[in-house]
Amino acid sequence: QVQLVESGGGVVQPGGSLRLSCAASGFIFSSYGMHWVRQAPGKGLEWVAFTLYDGSKKYYVDSVKGRFTISRDNSKNMLFLQMNSLRTEDTAVYYCGGGQWMVDYWGQGTLVTVSS
Amino acid sequence: QSALTQPRSVSGSPGQSVTISCTGTSSDVGGYNYVSWYQQHPGKAPKVMIYDVRRRPSGVPDRFSGSKSGNTASLTISGLQAEDEADYYCYSYAGSYTWVFGGGTKLTVL
Repeated sequence: QVQLVESGGGVVQPGGSLRLSCAASGFIFSSYGMHWVRQAPGKGLEWVAFTLYDGSKKYYVDSVKGRFTISRDNSKNMLFLQMNSLRTEDTAVYYCGGGQWMVDYWGQGTLVTVSS
Repeated sequence: QSALTQPRSVSGSPGQSVTISCTGTSSDVGGYNYVSWYQQHPGKAPKVMIYDVRRRPSGVPDRFSGSKSGNTASLTISGLQAEDEADYYCYSYAGSYTWVFGGGTKLTVL
């Protein structure tokens, strides 16, 4: 069955960095566009980033441009999110998602807390 | 990249129907037929209920239906059941490989 498993979340100080990982299985990862979506505590969902099936193009919500980088390794069925210059407002559960025009598959999420 | 507008809450009794609206602009909801809807129970990951405005993934009950008129998409849930109580989010393609969510609607089954 399809599985997406995020890891790498934790507590980090403002200005710090964190790298999230997402391990995919049960579907043809290299054929799917992949998203990162986040949800601040008690708030709604927010699209963060997207990469095409082959990693050739990457797109971001304005609030993370220049700070976050999405990448993938199709040989290992892995998706990544490098987060730099973290701010308190980046505190959220981060979900990886598989799909192009929608998110077909979702991971269980990993919590990132930015706090001093 | 402004969030789509959804009512904060809706409610209905078991067996009734409810409709959740999702209003955007001609740059997102109105411009593409790539609107999807997600159900999220507390502490759980979202689950897709409708995609491409009105298509239902396998396994989703036909009580769930989607539609769109102009810049507003809608999710209708008929024959409400207790397990439908959850948060619902619309999601639309907004061009140039960017997407936007609605603010979310809390559905209460009375």
